[in-house]
Amino acid sequence: EAGVTQFPSHSVIEKGQTVTLRCDPISGHDNLYWYRRVMGKEIKFLLHFVKESKQDESGMPNNRFLAERTGGTYSTLKVQPAELEDSGVYFCASSQSGYGGYTFGSGTRLTVV
Amino acid sequence: LAKTTQPISMDSYEGQEVNITCSHNNIATNDYITWYQQFPSQGPRFIIQGYKTKVTNEVASLFIPADRKSSTLSLPRVSLSDTAVYYCLVGTNSGYSTLTFGKGTMLLVSP
Repeated sequence: EAGVTQFPSHSVIEKGQTVTLRCDPISGHDNLYWYRRVMGKEIKFLLHFVKESKQDESGMPNNRFLAERTGGTYSTLKVQPAELEDSGVYFCASSQSGYGGYTFGSGTRLTVV
Repeated sequence: LAKTTQPISMDSYEGQEVNITCSHNNIATNDYITWYQQFPSQGPRFIIQGYKTKVTNEVASLFIPADRKSSTLSLPRVSLSDTAVYYCLVGTNSGYSTLTFGKGTMLLVSP
């Protein structure tokens, strides 16, 4: 089966610009998560979708971040406007309900200059 | 969420068995122990999960003592390709729980 796919793999944008990251989970996985690691820090949870609904968005850093999952399939994470401290690697993961094993994508490396 | 403590780094040679121990003194009754592996430029990859005693799969073994306050990931006969960061996580097994990553253990396997 195809894994979790993230696009783009790398994005370099200027401060103040907008960037949209995309995640395609494994087909049939209701749970979709966004995580990120900023330079030198640990991987941190951002939010969790169950199908198209936001189950937990307690990790979203501020209102410049907007995540959507229309139709309960792929998800997008938009950063608008981007700031320097948003630089890092953004990971998406998906899982089936009732199973604790997550499958992660390879991540999107975001660099804000 | 239970906090975990692991070595920052470990060195090994090809063909050796590597054991990485993780402490989780505040583990809850419903918590499982899960290990992930991460290579550079990739996302974490699930290796193994267990609740108590011993679990073995084609990649590794996981040893959990009766008090469950620690666990040991055992990698038999490591190769250069096992060089990676290994994360020990503790949490429920519902599929709804979020993951709390620590700093992980950087394993370096040398020829």
